[in-house]
Amino acid sequence: AQKVTQTQTSISVMEKTTVTMDCVYETQDSSYFLFWYKQTASGEIVFLIRQDSYKKENATVGHYSLNFQKPKSSIGLIITATQIEDSAVYFCAMRESLNTNTGKLTFGDGTVLTVKP
Amino acid sequence: NAGVIQTPRHKVTGKGQEATLWCEPISGHSAVFWYRQTIVQGLEFLTYFRNQAPIDDSGMPKERFSAQMPNQSHSTLKIQSTQPQDSAVYLCASSFGQGASQNTLYFGAGTRLSVL
Repeated sequence: AQKVTQTQTSISVMEKTTVTMDCVYETQDSSYFLFWYKQTASGEIVFLIRQDSYKKENATVGHYSLNFQKPKSSIGLIITATQIEDSAVYFCAMRESLNTNTGKLTFGDGTVLTVKP
Repeated sequence: NAGVIQTPRHKVTGKGQEATLWCEPISGHSAVFWYRQTIVQGLEFLTYFRNQAPIDDSGMPKERFSAQMPNQSHSTLKIQSTQPQDSAVYLCASSFGQGASQNTLYFGAGTRLSVL
């Protein structure tokens, strides 16, 4: 069974610095898809960035980038030049290709990020 | 594009009453998902439709919970005889459902259900 683990419960950083959030996953599948979502204070869950397991290049979107280490089953989220509005809960999620028919995402427990001025 | 729309945003029911939650997926998306979020369990998958057909309901409690998608523009999640443990935020998400792009889910704002 697939499993996603986020070991950092909460992180606090100063504005304009860089933060890395960790995520490790377990899967039996050779092909899978990894996602990071952000949940704001209002409860809205927003898609941030995605990494397909067959791609060697780390995905980058705006000030979000990923550190994909496949041998370690690790997909870290890096946020550069953090802003106050980046304060939120960040979820890592995985979808196995075996589950393509189901579409089911498995989520980690989330990491609370607080960005201080 | 309005995104995934969920109504109502908040619903309060008494124990034993029925609750119906509504979801309108993003136009053009053929896959619709329901998730439930609680402090204790986190984000839990409930059920999934593709092209209106139920594909996977492995996360649905076997009793009292049902979901339907009568047309491509809306899905409903119905909880009969609600219990306090059903209190949660119920999230609907949709995706294109075709090719690699099907893998990205876009979530609605959720419905917060409180069972008194």
